[in-house]
Amino acid sequence: QVQLVESGGGAVQPGGSLRLSCAASGFTFKSYAMHWVRQAPGKGLQWVAVISYDGRIKYYLDSVEGRFTISRDNSMNTLFLEMTSLRPDDTAMYFCAKGDGYMAPFDIWGQGTLVAVSS
Amino acid sequence: EVVMTQSPATLSVSPGETATLSCRASRSVDTDLAWYQQKPGQAPRLLIRAASTRATGIPARFSGSGSGTEFTLSISSLQSEDCAVYYCQQYDKWPQTFGPGTKVDIK
Repeated sequence: QVQLVESGGGAVQPGGSLRLSCAASGFTFKSYAMHWVRQAPGKGLQWVAVISYDGRIKYYLDSVEGRFTISRDNSMNTLFLEMTSLRPDDTAMYFCAKGDGYMAPFDIWGQGTLVAVSS
Repeated sequence: EVVMTQSPATLSVSPGETATLSCRASRSVDTDLAWYQQKPGQAPRLLIRAASTRATGIPARFSGSGSGTEFTLSISSLQSEDCAVYYCQQYDKWPQTFGPGTKVDIK
């Protein structure tokens, strides 16, 4: 069935790094833009980054630009988010999501992976 | 960025009644507006896209309306399984942004 499964979250100190992964199945991954969306504990949703179907075009939320890098491996049906210089306000559940384009609703979501940044 | 606001913050509705949720955009987003349902511990689920088009598999008792800056999600014949937080999202202007959510519970 159609599925997105995230992994790679965990606890990290401020200034540290993490790499999140999102494994896709049940749809033609290489045909769709993919997004990362985060949700701080008890808070609302915040779009973080998007990558085009072929990986050539990437856009980021201003507050993560230069610290986070989105990438994908279409041969492995996997999306990534490399996170560096992490800050306490990056603490959140990170969801990967499929959209029909760069600006589109998200029709498939993963279950999320939790990132906790604290000293 | 376009700021999305939602009202009320919490809505208590009796079973079988209709819940009416509002979403407002700080600037016009045409009909590029989606609604999501999120239950505790779960990922959001897409309910409505393009302001009024139900996503695949969404029951007809969920309906959306509006355009420009004012939008409404209606849930008729409310059931206990509808208890959740509902978010609106605009995807018309960069960056796409979400509202703070409306929590719906059973009275």
